[in-house]
Amino acid sequence: TQLLEQSPQFLSIQEGENLTVYCNSSSVFSSLQWYRQEPGEGPVLLVTVVTGGEVKKLKRLTFQFGDARKDSSLHITAAQPGDTGLYLCAGADRGSTLGRLYFGRGTQLTVWP
Amino acid sequence: EAGVVQSPRYKIIEKKQPVAFWCNPISGHNTLYWYRQNLGQGPELLIRYENEEAVDDSQLPKDRFSAERLKGVDSTLKIQPAELGDSAVYLCASSPGTSGGSYIQETQYFGPGTRLLVL
Repeated sequence: TQLLEQSPQFLSIQEGENLTVYCNSSSVFSSLQWYRQEPGEGPVLLVTVVTGGEVKKLKRLTFQFGDARKDSSLHITAAQPGDTGLYLCAGADRGSTLGRLYFGRGTQLTVWP
Repeated sequence: EAGVVQSPRYKIIEKKQPVAFWCNPISGHNTLYWYRQNLGQGPELLIRYENEEAVDDSQLPKDRFSAERLKGVDSTLKIQPAELGDSAVYLCASSPGTSGGSYIQETQYFGPGTRLLVL
């Protein structure tokens, strides 16, 4: 069973602060995705990273895929209340179960005004 | 364009009762997924369809769970009989299904989920 560990599990910060959340595994993934999920809704894809060492930026969000494709990080600059939500990482299986995503437990982020 | 539609949004039943969830994917999407999300956890895949064919159902508890996608469009997930541990959010997702086996993961579009409480 492939396992993605996310840390921290909970994060509560003030508007304007910077933060980083982490997604780690002992398994190699063909690609890794980050989702944000708001209460009462399904996850919404933020980004897909494919190449080891890849860095992608989405406005104030910066995503990095580890060189060995086993870990990833999400950095948010100057967090805003609208960033509040559950951030999930998900790794895509490289093997026979192509198409299966393995989700971490998520980081619940709360940004206070 | 409409997103993934699920119904009902909420369901409360007593244990041992049957329950069914319905999903209508985004128009034109060939791949459909059912996930279960327990409280404080990430989604876990139950079954994946490519058109009408269930191509990955290894994590579906087949003693009590069943699913169908008869015409390759909408899908139904059923639990019979429900147990207390089945309380969770059941998410449906769809993707175009045109990656042709590429390792680059397709974007999955999730519905809002059905929140099931078994008493």
